[in-house]
Amino acid sequence: QKEVEQNSGPLSVPEGAIASLNCTYSDRVSQSFFWYRQYSGKSPELIMSIYSNGDKEDGRFTAQLNKASQYVSLLIRDSQPSDSATYLCAPGGSYIPTFGRGTSLIVHP
Amino acid sequence: DTGVSQNPRHKITKRGQNVTFRCDPISEHNRLYWYRQTLGQGPEFLTYFQNEAQLEKSRLLSDRFSAERPKGSFSTLEIQRTEQGDSAMYLCASSLEPGASQGAREKLFFGSGTQLSVL
Repeated sequence: QKEVEQNSGPLSVPEGAIASLNCTYSDRVSQSFFWYRQYSGKSPELIMSIYSNGDKEDGRFTAQLNKASQYVSLLIRDSQPSDSATYLCAPGGSYIPTFGRGTSLIVHP
Repeated sequence: DTGVSQNPRHKITKRGQNVTFRCDPISEHNRLYWYRQTLGQGPEFLTYFQNEAQLEKSRLLSDRFSAERPKGSFSTLEIQRTEQGDSAMYLCASSLEPGASQGAREKLFFGSGTQLSVL
């Protein structure tokens, strides 16, 4: 299985700020990446996917992929308290999706 | 509701007892996964099915754990002789069939999970 590294946090940002979440992975084969959001006590929910180098924007969320550096990030603009959750990174390219431990994000008013 | 359904939501049992969880995936999904998650950790892979065939099982999975998907629809996960270390959230997820685009089949849709507490 692929190795996925994430800073467990917590990452604390004020409301309205940009939150930056990062993920590194060990496998150079991965061609796609997925970000899941998990609220406390709930199950993960897919929020973003990215398949090529560069940026992909969806509303307040931007995923950035750098395959050469084996690095993927998720930016959340205009952070809201409702964004407070754990964000899990999962590389694609495998029949067995593997998850990092997740980064806890806290957006305080 | 056409999402992934898991039952029960919570299970409290005494050490040594057997427990069984059920998962009903999204109807058009033929891949089904079981994961286990403890506090502060990401989901840990346990096993997965394509239709009724169990194609992969984690090497870390004890022989006390068994999973079935008899008709390629719902799945059950049984834990025999439970131990306190089995306490965790057990997550089921499903995904699209291999014939779908690569990106589509890699997207997992999770159920609400079953929270197991072993006393």
